[in-house]
Amino acid sequence: AQSVAQPEDQVNVAEGNPLTVKCTYSVSGNPYLFWYVQYPNRGLQFLLKYITGDNLVKGSYGFEAEFNKSQTSFHLKKPSALVSDSALYFCAVRITGGSYIPTFGRGTSLIVHP
Amino acid sequence: ETGVTQTPRHLVMGMTNKKSLKCEQHLGHNAMYWYKQSAKKPLELMFVYSLEERVENNSVPSRFSPECPNSSHLFLHLHTLQPEDSALYLCASSQGAGGGAGETQYFGPGTRLLVL
Repeated sequence: AQSVAQPEDQVNVAEGNPLTVKCTYSVSGNPYLFWYVQYPNRGLQFLLKYITGDNLVKGSYGFEAEFNKSQTSFHLKKPSALVSDSALYFCAVRITGGSYIPTFGRGTSLIVHP
Repeated sequence: ETGVTQTPRHLVMGMTNKKSLKCEQHLGHNAMYWYKQSAKKPLELMFVYSLEERVENNSVPSRFSPECPNSSHLFLHLHTLQPEDSALYLCASSQGAGGGAGETQYFGPGTRLLVL
C-alpha cells in the first residue's frame, strides 16, 4: 500500500521569502516521489520527481525538493517566493516495481502575498 | 501545452441529459486516466486504461461510462448525473506499464462540469 500526506491545507508566505510545502509518504518499498502544480482553471503540471540518486532534486520555476528517507518526507522548497507561485501543489508517490499508478496527496494551497 | 487536450472545457447539463467528455493525447503514451477534482476534496482516480484495456475502476457509479477506442483517445460518457457530480474532470496520460522508472503523468486542462 502507498499513501502520501500533505499536512497543510494552506501555506502563506510573503513575496521574496523562502517557501516550504510539506509532504510525507508511506510505502512498503522504495518510493518514486513527484510534485505537481495546478494553477487556477488548469490541469496539473509536473514540477519535479525523485527516482534515485541525489536526494536534492531541482525542478521547474526554481523549485527543489529534498528526499529524506529517515523522515519519509519530500518537502518542496523555493528560496524566494513569487506572487505567481500562488497555486495548488500536489505531492504524489508510487512504489518502485509496483503499480505505475501514483497516489496523490490532498493538495496544499500556496498563497504568496505581495 | 502538455500534449493532452480535453473537450469541452466547460459543460452545463441537466440531470436527464447524456453528454460525453473527450480526451486526446499526442505523446505516444500507453496509459490514460480519468480523475475527478471537487472543491475541498482530494483528487479522485476514476478509471485507468492501459493499452486500451481498463485496469482500474475505483467504485465509480455506473452513470459514468468510460471508453478507450485507441491509445490516443479516451471518453467519459455521462448519463443521468446528479448535482454532486459537478466538478473538474481531468484526463491524464503516462507511458504506462513497462514505461520505466519515475512514471510522470501529463494532465489535460480539464472539463469544468456543472450539473443542474
